[in-house]
Amino acid sequence: AQSVAQPEDQVNVAEGNPLTVKCTYSVSGNPYLFWYVQYPNRGLQFLLKYITGDNLVKGSYGFEAEFNKSQTSFHLKKPSALVSDSALYFCATLPYSSASKIIFGSGTRLSIRP
Amino acid sequence: GAVVSQHPSWVICKSGTSVKIECRSLDFQATTMFWYRQFPKQSLMLMATSNEGSKATYEQGVEKDKFLINHASLTLSTLTVTSAHPEDSSFYICSARVSSGKETQYFGPGTRLLVL
Repeated sequence: AQSVAQPEDQVNVAEGNPLTVKCTYSVSGNPYLFWYVQYPNRGLQFLLKYITGDNLVKGSYGFEAEFNKSQTSFHLKKPSALVSDSALYFCATLPYSSASKIIFGSGTRLSIRP
Repeated sequence: GAVVSQHPSWVICKSGTSVKIECRSLDFQATTMFWYRQFPKQSLMLMATSNEGSKATYEQGVEKDKFLINHASLTLSTLTVTSAHPEDSSFYICSARVSSGKETQYFGPGTRLLVL
């Protein structure tokens, strides 16, 4: 079955430190991978996506993610965390282009302390 | 670009009434729109996939007569919760996929429904 896993329910980081939010995938074929962020009582905002090409993808708000095929991972990273980055982050995959339904991970709550 | 709006953002209604939620793609055409439901501290649960001009495809366990979906144009889809009950209280989120074939889904801000 196609799936994405976010092994951490919560990640706590001090402001200014680097952050990593983990995601692994299990998808047949070449995966389309996404990261979305959700602020309280809001919908999801698109951060970045990987379809093909360079394994390091840069997205909104200084976030980036690295596609690692051998480890089937797509971890979200940021060099220096901000308190405003505190939110709920979802990793997602679209197993095949256009026709299929996006599959979300369970979400990771990121908390940045001042 | 790629903005999706939802209206209303909040709705409180009495049990037994019907509630309509609108989802609009403001600056792009969307052949496909999706409706999700999100419970507190949980991920999004796909309810149905809506293609413009055709009947929606519902996920297993979602009552199509309870959650009516209409996708009459490339920029508008509506979800009507019929005869709402307290257990229908939830956060409903729509998303839209760009018609040009790009795979990214863009999400609306969500609608919080409270049924008393």
